[in-house]
Amino acid sequence: DAGITQSPRHKVTETGTPVTLRCHQTENHRYMYWYRQDPGHGLRLIHYSYGVKDTDKGEVSDGYSVSRSKTEDFLLTLESATSSQTSVYFCAISESPSGLAFDETQYFGPGTRLLVL
Amino acid sequence: QKEVEQDPGPLSVPEGAIVSLNCTYSNSAFQYFMWYRQYSRKGPELLMYTYSSGNKEDGRFTAQVDKSSKYISLFIRDSQPSDSATYLCAMILGYGGSQGNLIFGKGTKLSVKP
Repeated sequence: DAGITQSPRHKVTETGTPVTLRCHQTENHRYMYWYRQDPGHGLRLIHYSYGVKDTDKGEVSDGYSVSRSKTEDFLLTLESATSSQTSVYFCAISESPSGLAFDETQYFGPGTRLLVL
Repeated sequence: QKEVEQDPGPLSVPEGAIVSLNCTYSNSAFQYFMWYRQYSRKGPELLMYTYSSGNKEDGRFTAQVDKSSKYISLFIRDSQPSDSATYLCAMILGYGGSQGNLIFGKGTKLSVKP
């Protein structure tokens, strides 16, 4: 999980409350991603960022928003958490799009386990 | 039909066995194909990637792509207990923009018994 931290690592919250997850990198990589991982669905892209203040939607973006005001931080916000957002959330970073240029890879963080009651 | 299909297993093999992990996909436009390994309660890590059809070997691992059949495989030779993990296939349409976003299979859980 080189150079990527996620906070909090575990969170329990109630339906309807706002939740913000933070991804912090020390690699100075340009691209950052938020995924969720669920049994039976695998990893699915929520949002991604290709630079400071530059973000775009992924496959499952409904109910989520993101912000990136600094290269090193990418925030994921659930405005009003629902039980369907109970999941494990992974942040990933790469220097190039999807990390394919010059044998670079897309590094994943350790994950945040979120339970919405 | 899901874009990428992967048998979730679990798959249990004895140490030293050859393991074959597979994915099928429906979109013939996929160009890059990847295999990630994910240990329990950890983030995925990239094992191998290939471009277009063919084989690629890295130590005990071989990745194979057959675009005509829309089928990719990962072979693990001389499997070790340390290979016990969930293996995720992933693929992308191209390079840049949303085309570069990874589409993952659901993952196959592998257990290698000593």
